[in-house]
Amino acid sequence: DIQMTQSPSSLSASIGDRVTITCRASQSISSFLNWYQQKPGKAPKLLIYAASTLQSGVPSRFSGSESGTDFTLTISSLQPEDYAIYYCQQGYRTPLTFGGGTKVEIK
Amino acid sequence: QVQLQESGPGLVKPSETLSLTCRVSGDSISSGHYWAWIRQPPGKGLEWIGHIYPGGSTYHNPSLESRVSISVESSKKQFSLKLASVAAADTAVYYCASIGQLELNIDYWGQGALVTVSS
Repeated sequence: DIQMTQSPSSLSASIGDRVTITCRASQSISSFLNWYQQKPGKAPKLLIYAASTLQSGVPSRFSGSESGTDFTLTISSLQPEDYAIYYCQQGYRTPLTFGGGTKVEIK
Repeated sequence: QVQLQESGPGLVKPSETLSLTCRVSGDSISSGHYWAWIRQPPGKGLEWIGHIYPGGSTYHNPSLESRVSISVESSKKQFSLKLASVAAADTAVYYCASIGQLELNIDYWGQGALVTVSS
């Protein structure tokens, strides 16, 4: 199985901060990397697919990038509605696997 | 816009079979998506269970493979999950979802159904 390692597992940030979350794959997954946002009691929501393509309707403050097996989700200016848990997921090969999640909290 | 709704018992006894159904609306079930089940134990992360393409292949998580069955009923616009021989560790919120064929990104999710395994 392809292991997805997310860091940090949690972070505290203030409104307006730039936030960066990293996901590392245990092997090459090309650009088959997707990012999700999950709020308490809700299903995850797709933010970015294919490493850097913004899902329709997602604010442009969210962006994704890649460098080899390292992938990054960036929130350029954190907003109150962005406090949530973020997950990465590889779509390169089954079994599909997720990172452990990053909880973004209010500072 | 695809809409998905899970249904099924919220309580299952140990060693029995968990059965859930997902109703698809807003799109054809033969639209080119895969139809998937994903679960999330309370307070924990996400685990892909498996997915199916109508009239085609089924893929299961090897960690669950011998216990999992996923099927689709196109005429009823629904697909189903059966997980046999459940234990307390199978207690989770179970999501049905659609997966894009090219990127294997999970683009639509149901609201989730909490299934508790307990006697």
